Amino acid sequence: DQQVKQNSPSLSVQEGRISILNCDYTNSMFDYFLWYKKYPAEGPTFLISISSIKDKNEDGRFTVFLNKSAKHLSLHIVPSQPGDSAVYFCAASANAGNNRKLIWGLGTSLAVNP
Amino acid sequence: NAGVTQTPKFQVLKTGQSMTLQCAQDMNHNSMYWYRQDPGMGLRLIYYSASEGTTDKGEVPNGYNVSRLNKREFSLRLESAAPSQTSVYFCASSMGLAGGEQYFGPGTRLTVT
Repeated sequence: DQQVKQNSPSLSVQEGRISILNCDYTNSMFDYFLWYKKYPAEGPTFLISISSIKDKNEDGRFTVFLNKSAKHLSLHIVPSQPGDSAVYFCAASANAGNNRKLIWGLGTSLAVNP
Repeated sequence: NAGVTQTPKFQVLKTGQSMTLQCAQDMNHNSMYWYRQDPGMGLRLIYYSASEGTTDKGEVPNGYNVSRLNKREFSLRLESAAPSQTSVYFCASSMGLAGGEQYFGPGTRLTVT
């Protein structure tokens, strides 16, 4: 049973426009959410995160929004650039003592067209 | 500061052969992880080590063993490789605290024939 779902396998956006990547979760115990970016033949790299006590977190062109009542989060990239073309993974974790395991979505492949 | 390094980058094994994937981190992180990534399956946790001296099973541990050699190094061993273990393997590390951010190595692409 997938606890973290990214229902769109792929997304195509024009350069300069907004990219919106969505993620839904089912476990109400999750209290920390992360987005990772992955280029082919490389490991995932951390992009941005949000704690469940917040509903928005910004870092430059990247903003993550969290709607706890809907168990939904989204990543906005504005403006989108061709270098943003990658697979984006949503991950979530729950407080489990002194270590956190991440539960991963299947990823959304973003293509930003020049 | 190399971050997380993995060796080898590529490996081809025959069914039944054994091998060890090596991982090291230089960020003084407490926790280390081994994942596999398969098409359409996302990242699945094989084993993790919350701190030096401890290891625990993840989601898909069967057919694997791990060793947390010291704080820096965490190895993954396939005792008798099977074609179902053909995958890309990622090692990651984190402080293990509330932040949760994990930092990944470049991956090992393993093919078992």
